Formats: sequence, structure tokens, C-alpha cells
Amino acid sequence: KQEVTQIPAALSVPEGENLVLNCSFTDSAIYNLQWFRQDPGKGLTSLLLIQSSQREQTSGRLNASLDKSSGRSTLYIAASQPGDSATYLCAVTPGSSNTGKLIFGQGTTLQVKP
Amino acid sequence: SQTIHQWPATLVQPVGSPLSLECTVEGTSNPNLYWYRQAAGRGLQLLFYSVGIGQISSEVPQNLSASRPQDRQFILSSKKLLLSDSGFYLCAWRMSADTEAFFGQGTRLTVV
Repeated sequence: KQEVTQIPAALSVPEGENLVLNCSFTDSAIYNLQWFRQDPGKGLTSLLLIQSSQREQTSGRLNASLDKSSGRSTLYIAASQPGDSATYLCAVTPGSSNTGKLIFGQGTTLQVKP
Repeated sequence: SQTIHQWPATLVQPVGSPLSLECTVEGTSNPNLYWYRQAAGRGLQLLFYSVGIGQISSEVPQNLSASRPQDRQFILSSKKLLLSDSGFYLCAWRMSADTEAFFGQGTRLTVV
């Protein structure tokens, strides 16, 4: 059974700091891994999708890496800003099924202090 | 471009009352559709998914049901709500397992 874990559960950093969020999964048989952002009381906003054959994806100040063999992904946020404060969720699409369902981690709640 | 609409945004319902949450997707055809629930401290859990009109699969036994009467419409229902049905319900779509998934803005359901 696929399980996804995110560490730490919460993180507080001063503005301008570079930071790394971690995501690990137990079964390396995945289609892809996707990072989302969730603001309080809101839906999920897709940040980056990494296919199982890829090593990393970049979008602006965000860079996500994937090491499928070790079951790990990181989301790197450069020059953090108060507007980056949110909960960040990672989710994998299991390769055992083509339904496209997502298995989520519990999320990391990030606070960037001005 | 594709968009996903979910309503209502918030809902307070008494125990034993019926429920109907609606989700529609615009700008695409034959998407895979999903209902997830986010309960406090428990993360997101898949409730139902659909790969086509009238095709519904349930992931967990519960008091809820889902229907897909049209290609881009997904409905979550209950005949009689329980207190334990409270939570944040999210609709999502993607074209296939190897494409990006997109979520709606969610419905906060409180059963009182």
C-alpha cells in the first residue's frame, strides 16, 4: 500500500530564506508526483508535476526534484516571501492503477515572516 | 482554457438531511473526475472517481454516493447526513494518470 509522508509538518522561516520541503513515498511504482499549494479554506493549486521519468521541474522560484528509486521528492523555494505562506502538499499517482487517483501526504504548513 | 467549478462554497446541514454537491468542468471532454474529502488532521482521502458518464467507483464504504449524469458534471450526494460527514469536499479532474490534476475551490460542509 502506497504511503506518502511529508516532513516537517510545519516550518517557519524569515523572509528571503531559501527552503526545502520534503516528501517521501513507500512504493516507487508511480506515474508521477505532483506538488500543490493550499491556502486556508481554499482548494488546491497545482505547482509542479514531475513524471516518473523526470528528475526535476522548475517554475519560477520553485524547483521540484524526484528520486524515484529512493522514494523521495523535494520542493525547493528560493528567496521566500510572505505570500508563500500556505500548506504545501505532495501527492503521487500510483503506477498500479490507471485511474489517476492521488495519494497525498499530510502536508507542510509554511509560514514566512516579514 | 479549462476551469472547474464547485458549489456551494459552504453548507451547514442538520443531521439526517439530504446532500447534493455539484462539480462541473469546462473546456475539456471526457475527463476523469474525482471527489476527495479533507477532514481535520487526516489529510485528503479519495471518495469516488469516474472515468466516464455513468461510471462510478467508490474507494471507501460510507454514507455518500456519487453520480455523473453528464460528461463534465460530477455530483456527490447523501440521503441522510451524519455528523461524521462534516469536512472539506474537493472535486478534481485530470485527463489521465500521467497528466496534471486540477482541483476546485472546495465545499466546507458542517453537519449539525
